[in-house]
Amino acid sequence: EDKVVQSPLSLVVHEGDTVTLNCSYEVTNFRSLLWYKQEKKAPTFLFMLTSSGIEKKSGRLSSILDKKELFSILNITATQTGDSAVYLCAPSGGGADGLTFGKGTHLIIQP
Amino acid sequence: DAGITQSPRYKITETGRQVTLMCHQTWSHSYMFWYRQDLGHGLRLIYYSAAADITDKGEVPDGYVVSRSKTENFPLTLESATRSQTSVYFCASSEALAGGARKQYFGPGTRLTVT
Repeated sequence: EDKVVQSPLSLVVHEGDTVTLNCSYEVTNFRSLLWYKQEKKAPTFLFMLTSSGIEKKSGRLSSILDKKELFSILNITATQTGDSAVYLCAPSGGGADGLTFGKGTHLIIQP
Repeated sequence: DAGITQSPRYKITETGRQVTLMCHQTWSHSYMFWYRQDLGHGLRLIYYSAAADITDKGEVPDGYVVSRSKTENFPLTLESATRSQTSVYFCASSEALAGGARKQYFGPGTRLTVT
């Protein structure tokens, strides 16, 4: 059975801090791993990772995938209150063509 | 460019009634998906479709029916709604990418309450 575990489940930090969100996974026929941000509405796409060791960056956010150890991390530097959201990790693979989502990390940035 | 839309956005229905949630995308993406999101479970795949007239079950298909006669539409029907189907339903679409990797784009969601 496919499994995705995100940690921590919730995290409260102050504005300006750096955070690291973790995602470990077990899926058969792994194809890619996606990160989404969800703010009380639909998930919005952040990154798609397909190869190990290649860091994706978008401004203050970055992510890296380790296909050997089956995990990914999402880093956010110089956090802002607008970063408050649930961050979802979703590897694709297995029998179905959909994504298997973790339960998410609820990130709260305090001013 | 509307992207991907869902209707209705909110729906209250009674146990036993049939309900259809609509999903429409304007990108001509080949793949479309239905997920439900519940506290404690996260997002779970209900059904998906690789192309018109091709559908397949996801993780939690029981009690749901889908069809896809046109590429742009992917309705989800609850044949006889139950309280356990109270949830937020998200439709998503993606194009097929090299190596099977697919970036999915989500609709705004439908909040369904079954009383």
